[in-house]
Amino acid sequence: EVQLVQSGAEVKKPGESLKISCKGSGYSSTSSWIGWVRQMPGKGLEWMAIIYPGDFDTKYSPSFQGQVTISVDKSISTAYLQWSSLKASDTAMYYCARQSFGGELNWGQGTLVTVSS
Amino acid sequence: EIVLTQSPATLSLSPGERATLSCRASQSVSSYLAWYQQKPGQAPRLLIYDASNRATGIPASFSGSGSGTDFTLTISGLEPEDFAVYYCQQRSNWPWTFGQGTKVEIK
Repeated sequence: EVQLVQSGAEVKKPGESLKISCKGSGYSSTSSWIGWVRQMPGKGLEWMAIIYPGDFDTKYSPSFQGQVTISVDKSISTAYLQWSSLKASDTAMYYCARQSFGGELNWGQGTLVTVSS
Repeated sequence: EIVLTQSPATLSLSPGERATLSCRASQSVSSYLAWYQQKPGQAPRLLIYDASNRATGIPASFSGSGSGTDFTLTISGLEPEDFAVYYCQQRSNWPWTFGQGTKVEIK
């Protein structure tokens, strides 16, 4: 069974840095992309970035290019999303998701990030 | 960027009725179109992938059809637990994109 377990909720101040994680199990890392999806309060879903653990190929949505960094540690089957300087507008729920080449997509449980002074 | 437009924005129906949700793409996405259900406070759940394939554990009351630019999700008979928000999503071109969602509410 595929499982994606995300790190816990975070409360940060504007300007602080943050790195959230997503640990996967039950699948081969070379059979899928891993990515992050943002959902702002009361809003829809937006793909931010994806990474292929096989060769570390990385893609960013234009809206998020330069704003976040996606990475993966294959040795511990964990993907990360990091910010160097958070803004209040980064307050959102962040989901990791695994997109298999065969079409199925699995979701993590979500990590709530709150940025407030 | 491929824009997905879902209609209607809200669908008001009674339990047992048939729901028909539409998703239109601004350019062809072939069959690389998925449907998700999301309930308040929960992560989205995959219902249909590659336009017409039901995900594991999804009941046969959910079906998907279409290809190219026009897609449909049909719920053949609404159960109380089916009232939720539904999103379509394409993985044909990066950036992958979602539609804005259709809320299926109890009439």
